[in-house]
Amino acid sequence: KAGVTQTPRYLIKTRGQQVTLSCSPISGHRSVSWYQQTPGQGLQFLFEYFSETQRNKGNFPGRFSGRQFSNSRSEMNVSTLELGDSALYLCASSYLAGRTDTQYFGPGTRLTVL
Amino acid sequence: AQKVTQAQTEISVVEKEDVTLDCVYETRDTTYYLFWYKQPPSGELVFLIRRNSFDEQNEISGRYSWNFQKSTSSFNFTITASQVVDSAVYFCALNTGGGNKLTFGTGTQLKVEL
Repeated sequence: KAGVTQTPRYLIKTRGQQVTLSCSPISGHRSVSWYQQTPGQGLQFLFEYFSETQRNKGNFPGRFSGRQFSNSRSEMNVSTLELGDSALYLCASSYLAGRTDTQYFGPGTRLTVL
Repeated sequence: AQKVTQAQTEISVVEKEDVTLDCVYETRDTTYYLFWYKQPPSGELVFLIRRNSFDEQNEISGRYSWNFQKSTSSFNFTITASQVVDSAVYFCALNTGGGNKLTFGTGTQLKVEL
């Protein structure tokens, strides 16, 4: 079974631009979560989608948004990029949306904001 | 609020040594799940183990073993006879609420040298 895939793997943007990251979950998985990883803040939860609905949201500004499609693929968008948004963005999928489920992570998208 | 503490920022060992990575968690929930993930230089988080709060049985998987103690709120991870391929950052994580939100520790960088 193929793992979680994320595209693109690397991105370079400038301040003020917006960016869209994509995540394809493991086949059959219906929950997709996004995390941001930075050297200063570590791994932080952004949001989770299940059946095209946002179920949980972390403590991030409204510039961070996401959505999930009927095939469970998910996208996250960051508008008006700031230097501090430079990070590794990790997507994780699980079969269900409960805390008993194990999340499997993709390779991440490394975003650099100049 | 929940919290995960990994006090060891970096550990260096020589190959074949045993090493223990510490994880201490805080939560008021009586039902929760604990996880360990490995992050090699490639960036992808690799799932290692999941433990629920009502199962304190220790687990062994090959060279890996986990010691879960509710009395001390700890979930420690031991690698026996470490190998160079074990070099990575190891994260402990906690899931308490509904959904798939993981709270991560800051990670422990393990370096195994020849």
